[in-house]
Amino acid sequence: NAGVTQTPKFRVLKTGQSMTLLCAQDMNHEYMYWYRQDPGMGLRLIHYSVGEGTTAKGEVPDGYNVSRLKKQNFLLGLESAAPSQTSVYFCASSYPWTGVTGELFFGEGSRLTVL
Amino acid sequence: EDKVVQSPLSLVVHEGDTVTLNCSYEVTNFRSLLWYKQEKKAPTFLFMLTSSGIEKKSGRLSSILDKKELFSILNITATQTGDSAVYLCAVLGSSNTGKLIFGQGTTLQVKP
Repeated sequence: NAGVTQTPKFRVLKTGQSMTLLCAQDMNHEYMYWYRQDPGMGLRLIHYSVGEGTTAKGEVPDGYNVSRLKKQNFLLGLESAAPSQTSVYFCASSYPWTGVTGELFFGEGSRLTVL
Repeated sequence: EDKVVQSPLSLVVHEGDTVTLNCSYEVTNFRSLLWYKQEKKAPTFLFMLTSSGIEKKSGRLSSILDKKELFSILNITATQTGDSAVYLCAVLGSSNTGKLIFGQGTTLQVKP
């Protein structure tokens, strides 16, 4: 019963390097989200997807790209990492009707440090 | 701009105390307000509130929503050290995408 799985859980990058965070869910959810969490700032939405092949920008999309080629996977890419992208990243998913109520199912987070 | 503000940002209490956490919001097309508890890792769902004045309760935790004054409170009675966590308030402002707008969180520390 995996739920939402994020990989990797920890990563250290140098400025300018690229990387991809993978989110996989096995609940057949339509909606998927990437949030970042910084001290004192709660969770901020980076990008989201309302279905396979669709993506949209959230509050803080700059410096990130995403892809949803398969319904169960949502990838978050950093093309040229910057120290400001040091954060904990959370993936979440939900059913469409849950989109009416709002409950999200979260992965356990990926801690990224950019030096 | 949609906004969710929580207070206090941090709180230290002793076991057995009662605490009240606050969440105010300014969100267009309000649908629901949710409370999450976050310990070391992923946030876990506590409550969803959609109607004013109806208290949701789960054990020692309870929450209520006031849609006229645009706020919610989360009460924890007889606190235990296991209640130590970050409590997140989030509001759903659109039913089409499921996007949640989160507050900054309240960090609660319960001392023995």
